[in-house]
Amino acid sequence: NAGVTQTPKFRVLKTGQSMTLLCAQDMNHEYMYWYRQDPGMGLRLIHYSVGEGTTAKGEVPDGYNVSRLKKQNFLLGLESAAPSQTSVYFCASSNQRDLYEQYFGPGTRLTVT
Amino acid sequence: AQSVTQPDIHITVSEGASLELRCNYSYGATPYLFWYVQSPGQGLQLLLKYFSGDTLVQGIKGFEAEFKRSQSSFNLRKPSVHWSDAAEYFCAVVPFSSNTGKLIFGQGTTLQVKP
Repeated sequence: NAGVTQTPKFRVLKTGQSMTLLCAQDMNHEYMYWYRQDPGMGLRLIHYSVGEGTTAKGEVPDGYNVSRLKKQNFLLGLESAAPSQTSVYFCASSNQRDLYEQYFGPGTRLTVT
Repeated sequence: AQSVTQPDIHITVSEGASLELRCNYSYGATPYLFWYVQSPGQGLQLLLKYFSGDTLVQGIKGFEAEFKRSQSSFNLRKPSVHWSDAAEYFCAVVPFSSNTGKLIFGQGTTLQVKP
């Protein structure tokens, strides 16, 4: 039981490049979330999903897109990376019974130059 | 809008000393409140939660927190800190009328433990 995994762990992009971050969970959770963590700002919700095939915007969605084609996977895409997207990205999941007990992945550190 | 404030960015305590991390929230009703911990290089882990009832809640790793409505606070405490408690701690609140699992996090408090 791996819990929540994220791929890759580190990435450096040039401005304008695109990339996709993959989150996978093996707990059969319905809900999945993408956060970004920046110094002094805590975690901010980018997008979330309440089930396969559904996604919704969080607090800071601009510049990101997501997809949830399979229940266990939640993809975060950056179409044209900007330096302001340099951050640590965390994926989390939770089940319907314990919505707020979110299980987090280890994070992806992204640098955009 | 709902918000969460952690007034202390960084706290240093000696091993074996007691600990209190502060959390204040801005909310119009009784909120759902949480404390999460992030060990270095790791994701976050839920320490404890408050929904209703007894205002003193117990969590994992020997932590507890007390909800005080009059002070809009939910402070985290531990009687005796261990070196392994060095981490970043986040207070969080559920946005009003949310049923999607969305959380609003505070800025975080980094705890350093001196030997």
